Amino acid sequence: DARVTQTPRDKVTEMGQEVTMRCQPILGHNTVFWYRQTMKQGLELLAYFRNRAPLDDSGMPKDRFSAEMPDATLATLKIQPSEPRDSAVYFCASGEGGLGYTFGSGTRLTVV
Amino acid sequence: GDSVTQMEGPVTLSEEAFLTINCTYTATGYPSLFWYVQYPGEGLQLLLKATKADDKGSNKGFEATYRKETTSFHLEKGSVQVSDSAVYFCALSSMDSSYKLIFGSGTRLLVRP
Repeated sequence: DARVTQTPRDKVTEMGQEVTMRCQPILGHNTVFWYRQTMKQGLELLAYFRNRAPLDDSGMPKDRFSAEMPDATLATLKIQPSEPRDSAVYFCASGEGGLGYTFGSGTRLTVV
Repeated sequence: GDSVTQMEGPVTLSEEAFLTINCTYTATGYPSLFWYVQYPGEGLQLLLKATKADDKGSNKGFEATYRKETTSFHLEKGSVQVSDSAVYFCALSSMDSSYKLIFGSGTRLLVRP
C-alpha cells in the first residue's frame, strides 16, 4: 500500500531552536494537509495545499510557523523559534478531493 | 461554515456488545463523509467512507450510512472486540469548502474483555 512518510518520527529540541518536519505525500495526490494534535485542543488544521499552492494557512501562528511544498514529493513545516506550547504530534495527510485522505504516522515534537 | 459534531466519550462496552457512535454534520454543499480510527500511538487510518446520500460505507465489520435527511453518519458495529479500542473521528470534505477535511472532536472507545 502507498504511504505518506513523515520524518523525523520523534524530535526533542530546546526552546528557541528551529524545527523542520518533512512529509512525502503519496505520488499523484494533489492535496496535502498539516494537522497538529494535542490532548487539550484535539486535531487542528494548520495548513493545506492543492497542486503545491497554499490554500489555507489560517490555523498557523504566522510569526513562527511556515509551510511550503518545494516540489510534489516534499512538504515541509518549520517552526522558528520553537516554544514549549508547540509540543504536539504533527500529522501530514495527502489525498484527492472527496475520495479520502491518507495520514502519515506523525512527528512527535517535544520542546523543552 | 461546515462542521461535524460527534458524541462525547469515552464509550465503554463489553466485548461482543453493539456499538453506535453518533455523528451529525452541517454543510452547505454535498459533502463526502468519513470515519477515521486512531489506535494508541498511531496516526489516523481511514475506516470507511460514503460519497453520496444513502451510500453505506463498511469495513472490518463497521458500517455507516449517509443520511441526508437527518444530516447524520452514525458508526455501528454489531459485536465489538477488545482490539477495537481506539479513538474514532467523523469527518467531512466538500467542494464548497475546497475539500478541506473537517473533523469532529473524536470519541474514545474502550472495550473490556
